[in-house]
Amino acid sequence: AQSVTQLDSQVPVFEEAPVELRCNYSSSVSVYLFWYVQYPNQGLQLLLKYLSGSTLVKGINGFEDEFNKSQTSFHLRKPSVHISDTAEYFCAVSYYGGATNKLIFGTGTLLAVQP
Amino acid sequence: DTAVSQTPKYLVTQMGNDKSIKCEQNLGHDTMYWYKQDSKKFLKIMFSYNNKELIINETVPNRFSPKSPDKAHLNLHINSLELGDSAVYFCASSFFGGGNTEAFFGQGTRLTVV
Repeated sequence: AQSVTQLDSQVPVFEEAPVELRCNYSSSVSVYLFWYVQYPNQGLQLLLKYLSGSTLVKGINGFEDEFNKSQTSFHLRKPSVHISDTAEYFCAVSYYGGATNKLIFGTGTLLAVQP
Repeated sequence: DTAVSQTPKYLVTQMGNDKSIKCEQNLGHDTMYWYKQDSKKFLKIMFSYNNKELIINETVPNRFSPKSPDKAHLNLHINSLELGDSAVYFCASSFFGGGNTEAFFGQGTRLTVV
């Protein structure tokens, strides 16, 4: 069975500082990896996804992710955050070659950007 | 223009009532989902339909009954609502299979049972 762990429930950071949101997963099979963002009172929006190939993935809004297969981690990074990045961030996995696109989510990390 | 739309956005109702949430997507996807987000913001899949056929049915009380009249619509009917059903319910859609396609989410329906 797969599980996804987001190590920080909340990450406070000052504007223009770099940020890293951590995510680890465990799975007995290969998985695809996703980061979604949820702005207040909104639905989820895909930030980036890792399917295969280069372990460094660039997403929207200046976010990027580095996949580390040996450590089963895919941490989300941004070199300089803005106030508008304040949101809940969810990492998720789905089965490689699975019959469905069922997403298994982590518990979320609230990124709180302060001026 | 809305890709995945849910109605209503807010739903307040009393215990014991029956209610429905509707979802429609105009992305041409063939698979739709219902996810539940609890008060701690944890998201968990409930159901998935592919071309009107149920393909995922997680451990959900049978008071919850999804219905898909066509591949662009997926509704969720809840009987005998309980306080613990209070949550945000998200509809999503994607193309079928492989695990590698992006799911698009609706804005959510915040259900409050009083």
